[in-house]
Amino acid sequence: QKEVEQDPGPLSVPEGAIVSLNCTYSNSAFQYFMWYRQYSRKGPELLMYTYSSGNKEDGRFTAQVDKSSKYISLFIRDSQPSDSATYLCAGTGGTGGFKTIFGAGTRLFVKA
Amino acid sequence: DVKVTQSSRYLVKRTGEKVFLECVQDMDHENMFWYRQDPGLGLRLIYFSYDVKMKEKGDIPEGYSVSREKKERFSLILESASTNQTSMYLCASSLSWGTAGNQPQHFGDGTRLSIL
Repeated sequence: QKEVEQDPGPLSVPEGAIVSLNCTYSNSAFQYFMWYRQYSRKGPELLMYTYSSGNKEDGRFTAQVDKSSKYISLFIRDSQPSDSATYLCAGTGGTGGFKTIFGAGTRLFVKA
Repeated sequence: DVKVTQSSRYLVKRTGEKVFLECVQDMDHENMFWYRQDPGLGLRLIYFSYDVKMKEKGDIPEGYSVSREKKERFSLILESASTNQTSMYLCASSLSWGTAGNQPQHFGDGTRLSIL
């Protein structure tokens, strides 16, 4: 079992839809969680990071962590074609030490 | 903004060659990382460094070595390139939170390496 699991997609939605991207993880020692966005032929760029359980909002993006169920979510409101990218979740901390463990990514397409 | 710069976007080399990939960051970060990214496999950690002249093996270090002579620069070396090392290589850097793990990593735009 991978430490961080994501559905690879692709996920295709119409412009304006609410998008829900999800990850599960197995390492209960993770304390910090991140979402990255990666456009084609570019490196991942940090979207959001959160500590422990709870929600964090930044514009159209909301990150949610539920440590009791080891579940990480990213919600995108009013999705735009420019949101089309691969989204990677990640966890770090505790027994992971210096390592950050990444999911393999979910490919999102937002159709105009 | 943090900037991580990788020396080449695209590189084509032949099997058996010694290949050098360079990475420079401008934010005085302690930690630097090299990953490779392959379809369906995600990001796999090759090596990382938490200080100058320090290095630690990641999950797939075989066939690779690294060098960190200066804080801002981290080099990945393919000792004798093979076709199974054709991949996207990503460099990243971060500050440390100590026992809580790393602060988020900041990535370069990658080097797409083809070994023929």
